[in-house]
Amino acid sequence: AQSVTQLDSQVPVFEEAPVELRCNYSSSVSVYLFWYVQYPNQGLQLLLKYLSGSTLVKGINGFEAEFNKSQTSFHLRKPSVHISDTAEYFCAVSDLKAAGNKLTFGGGTRVLVKP
Amino acid sequence: EPEVTQTPSHQVTQMGQEVILRCVPISNHLYFYWYRQILGQKVEFLVSFYNNEISEKSEIFDDQFSVERPDGSNFTLKIRSTKLEDSAMYFCASSAQGANSPLHFGNGTRLTVT
Repeated sequence: AQSVTQLDSQVPVFEEAPVELRCNYSSSVSVYLFWYVQYPNQGLQLLLKYLSGSTLVKGINGFEAEFNKSQTSFHLRKPSVHISDTAEYFCAVSDLKAAGNKLTFGGGTRVLVKP
Repeated sequence: EPEVTQTPSHQVTQMGQEVILRCVPISNHLYFYWYRQILGQKVEFLVSFYNNEISEKSEIFDDQFSVERPDGSNFTLKIRSTKLEDSAMYFCASSAQGANSPLHFGNGTRLTVT
């Protein structure tokens, strides 16, 4: 079984400032890692994913995340946020060996970008 | 870009009634999923569906729930006799392949049981 912890439920940040959203996971098996974003009244949209290879993963909208196996973390960063980045961000993992793609989600981090 | 579409966007039903939530996955995808998010809680996996059968289901997905792919395009979630605690946002998703294939989510159906 897996679990995902997002340490910050809300992160206020000023426009053009950097932001980091923390994600830690626990799993008895190897996992794939994902970050999804949910804009108001919309579904979940994939930001980026880590499957294998380079531990620094770049995604859409200028976001990147770094997989740290020893710390079981997958923190999301953006060097300069825009007002349009106001949304809820979800970290998720899936079992490497699962036939389908059963995601286990963290509780989400709500990012509020202030002008 | 192809999208997963869900209807209705909001469904209100009385306790004990049956409800069917509808989804049209992306056309060339092979795996289909339902997730739900109770207000203030995590997004939770309900069920995955592949090759016209359930491939995995969670403890939440009890006998009151069923899924069906009645034709080549729709994927439905039925709740037989709704309870107050079924009130949640229900997300449909699809993926092209299995574990390393990203899920594409619909905008969700907000189910309110009164």
